Amino acid sequence: SQKIEQNSEALNIQEGKTATLTCNYTNYSPAYLQWYRQDPGRGPVFLLLIRENEKEKRKERLKVTFDTTLKQSLFHITASQPADSATYLCAPSRDNTDKLIFGTGTRLQVFP
Amino acid sequence: EAQVTQNPRYLITVTGKKLTVTCSQNMNHEYMSWYRQDPGLGLRQIYYSMNVEVTDKGDVPEGYKVSRKEKRNFPLILESPSPNQTSLYFCASRRSDPPNEQFFGPGTRLTVL
Repeated sequence: SQKIEQNSEALNIQEGKTATLTCNYTNYSPAYLQWYRQDPGRGPVFLLLIRENEKEKRKERLKVTFDTTLKQSLFHITASQPADSATYLCAPSRDNTDKLIFGTGTRLQVFP
Repeated sequence: EAQVTQNPRYLITVTGKKLTVTCSQNMNHEYMSWYRQDPGLGLRQIYYSMNVEVTDKGDVPEGYKVSRKEKRNFPLILESPSPNQTSLYFCASRRSDPPNEQFFGPGTRLTVL
């Protein structure tokens, strides 16, 4: 069955450093991959979408890569700030009619 | 403001007492869905709807019902709630054509005693 894996352990980094979160998938060939941010007790908020034919996508301090050979997406936050502290979810999908399958998320904690 | 709204935000109820959680979106989205989120299990889809009068089961549909009589509304019905349905519930909507980013509601925290 399809499996989406994100590091379940929290990632703790110092303010100003680059945070890198990993999303691995197995038994799956998504054409799209989305990243969401979720704050405690609140709904996820869309951040970025990357297509299989795009190697990299950027938005301000955020960068996402998508390696279909490795079956992996990396999510980077440069110059991280305490306000970036949240749980980040990856969600691949095969096409625009396919449901999203969410990973369990990685909690990021940025310390001043 | 484009948004998905859910009501109630918090609900404590007892086993067997029927309840409905409402969901409404103002973005004219075709696709709507319900998720539950439990610690360690992540977001799991309960039901989804591709358009009015079109609904289908997600990964964990047992004990839930939905209806889609209007495009903007997608209520979640628990006919006979049980304690294992205690969870945080999210409604979401998106367009049917790409990009298909999902917009989530604020969540409903349900406790079934």
